[in-house]
Amino acid sequence: KQEVTQIPAALSVPEGENLVLNCSFTDSAIYNLQWFRQDPGKGLTSLLLIQSSQREQTSGRLNASLDKSSGRSTLYIAASQPGDSATYLCASGSSNTGKLIFGQGTTLQVKP
Amino acid sequence: NAGVTQTPKFQVLKTGQSMTLQCAQDMNHEYMSWYRQDPGMGLRLIHYSVGAGITDQGEVPNGYNVSRSTTEDFPLRLLSAAPSQTSVYFCASSSVYMRTGRHFNTGELFFGEGSRLTVL
Repeated sequence: KQEVTQIPAALSVPEGENLVLNCSFTDSAIYNLQWFRQDPGKGLTSLLLIQSSQREQTSGRLNASLDKSSGRSTLYIAASQPGDSATYLCASGSSNTGKLIFGQGTTLQVKP
Repeated sequence: NAGVTQTPKFQVLKTGQSMTLQCAQDMNHEYMSWYRQDPGMGLRLIHYSVGAGITDQGEVPNGYNVSRSTTEDFPLRLLSAAPSQTSVYFCASSSVYMRTGRHFNTGELFFGEGSRLTVL
C-alpha cells in the first residue's frame, strides 16, 4: 500500500532560522513528488514539483530534494519568516496506481 | 483565470439526504480528483479521473459517486449522507502529459478552496 509519512507533525522555530521538513514514502515507483502549503481554512497551493527523474527543485527560499532509493524527500526553507507559518504537505504519485497520496502534513510556526 | 471552482463552500445536511458537490476547472486539465480532509487524517483520495468518461476509485470511495462527462466538470455525489461524511472536501486538477497504458504522469496539482460539509 502506498503510504506517505511526514515528521514532525508540528514545528516551532524563531524567525531567521533555516529548517528542514521531512517526507517519507513507501512506493519506489513514484512518478513525482509534490510539496504544498495550506493556510488555515484555505485550499492547498503547490510549492514545488519534482519529477522522478530529478533530484531537486528550487523556488526562492525553498529547495526540495528527492531520493527515490531511500524513499525520502525534504523541503528546505532558508531564512524563515513569520509569513512562512502554515501547514506543509507532501504527496507522492504512483506509477502503478496513478494515485496521488498525501502525508498528514507538518504545521510550522515561525515566531518573530 | 478562475482555476478550480468548488460549490457550495458550506453545506449542512441531515442523515440520509443526498447532494452533489460541484467542481469545475477552466485550465483544460485532463486529471481531476476529489479529496476529503479530516483532522489527524490528512487528505484522502476519494475518486479521480484521467479524462472525460474515465473514473477510478481512490482510498475512500464508499458512499460517493462521480462521473466525468466533460473535461471541465467533475461532480461528487453523496448518495445517502452519514455523519461520518462530515469533512472538508477538496477538488484538484492537473494536466496529464504522459500516458502509457494505465499509467500516467500528472503535472502540478491545482486545488479549489474547499467545501465544508456537515452531516447531522
